[in-house]
Order: sequence, then C-alpha cells, then structure tokens
Amino acid sequence: NAGVTQTPKFQVLKTGQSMTLQCAQDMNHNSMYWYRQDPGMGLRLIYYSASEGTTDKGEVPNGYNVSRLNKREFSLRLESAAPSQTSVYFCASREGGYYGYTFGSGTRLTVV
Amino acid sequence: AQSVAQPEDQVNVAEGNPLTVKCTYSVSGNPYLFWYVQYPNRGLQFLLKYITGDNLVKGSYGFEAEFNKSQTSFHLKKPSALVSDSALYFCAVRAENFNKFYFGSGTKLNVKP
Repeated sequence: NAGVTQTPKFQVLKTGQSMTLQCAQDMNHNSMYWYRQDPGMGLRLIYYSASEGTTDKGEVPNGYNVSRLNKREFSLRLESAAPSQTSVYFCASREGGYYGYTFGSGTRLTVV
Repeated sequence: AQSVAQPEDQVNVAEGNPLTVKCTYSVSGNPYLFWYVQYPNRGLQFLLKYITGDNLVKGSYGFEAEFNKSQTSFHLKKPSALVSDSALYFCAVRAENFNKFYFGSGTKLNVKP
C-alpha cells in the first residue's frame, strides 16, 4: 500500500546509545517531516525537509540530526539518547501546495 | 508566531448527540487549517481542511468544521456522535507562506453508548 513507512515500530535504548529511525515514502512527495508526540503536548516538529537536499530545524531539534538521503527517505538520528527523548516519533510527508500530511504509523522509543 | 490551542483535554458525549471539539489559532497571514484523528497505536489520519471559500467544510466520517475568521476558530463538529468516533483529535495550522504545520495538544473524544 502506498504511504509512509517507519522502522522500527518499537525500540528500547539505554542512555547514551545511538540509533537511527528510518522513514520512506512512495508517493513522490517533496516535503518530509519528523515529529515527536508526548502526552498533553501534541505533536512537536523536530526537523523537516522541504525538498531533496534541504533540511531545517523545527521546534525541538536539540539532540537530533537528520538526513534526506533521497526524495523517498528521511532519517532521524539520536547520537546519544537521553530519557527525555522517550516519545512516539512520527514521520510525515506532503506533496506541497494546499495538501496536508500523510503520516507513518509511528516509532515508540523508550530510553532507560 | 504561529500556534494552535485546543482548550479541552477531553470531551465526553453520549452516542447520538452532537459533538464539538474546539480549536483556536494564531498565524501571520492567511491560515490553512486541518483536523486529524488518531486511533490508539496508529498514526494521524486526515479528516478535513479549510483553505479558502465556504466557511463550513465537510470531511470524512460525517465530520464538518466551521472556520470563523473574526474569532480565529476552527471547531470540529458532528451532528450525531458514534461510539466509533472515540479517538484523539488534533487541530493543525499552516500559514500561507510557510512549509510547516503547527499542531494543538489534542482533544480526547469519548463517546458513551
């Protein structure tokens, strides 16, 4: 099925470990986004990529890095995980113009 | 600055009754407004959007929303709630000249049989 695919779905990390969250979309969308969802805080933008080859910081970029590998793929890296990064992470893509987001199913990350 | 407020953490309604989930926004320029729904352990799904034109927009699953420019609001409504409507609802806004959306904190809708 066409859409946004995120891997892994679940992950437990120890403090200080690193990992990369993967995201791929097959809708030929130009823009891709990473959000984190925390209870009572809604979705907060971490980083986004308006087009292939560009990335920009969102509201909460500290502790994260991103790579827009190609038009399809946009990865999020935690270099040294901290308990404050325990969250559900969503990747989204958008065609542009007046269109909204298409979301992936999320990655539930726990840092202990 | 752009922001979205959903003043109610939770809304409770009986099945068959009308429901309203509130959203107010603040943007520079013309707003593009969206509603998304999230079922447990799932990603967000698009419900409806307002870009321009008629202030009352209709979306999926019988939902509609009313854009009110003077009150900077975009409330989600449904004439007759179903138990299956129980979920987390998010309002989002994008300003005309920006490429990113801002989300509200979400409202949990509980529809009781």
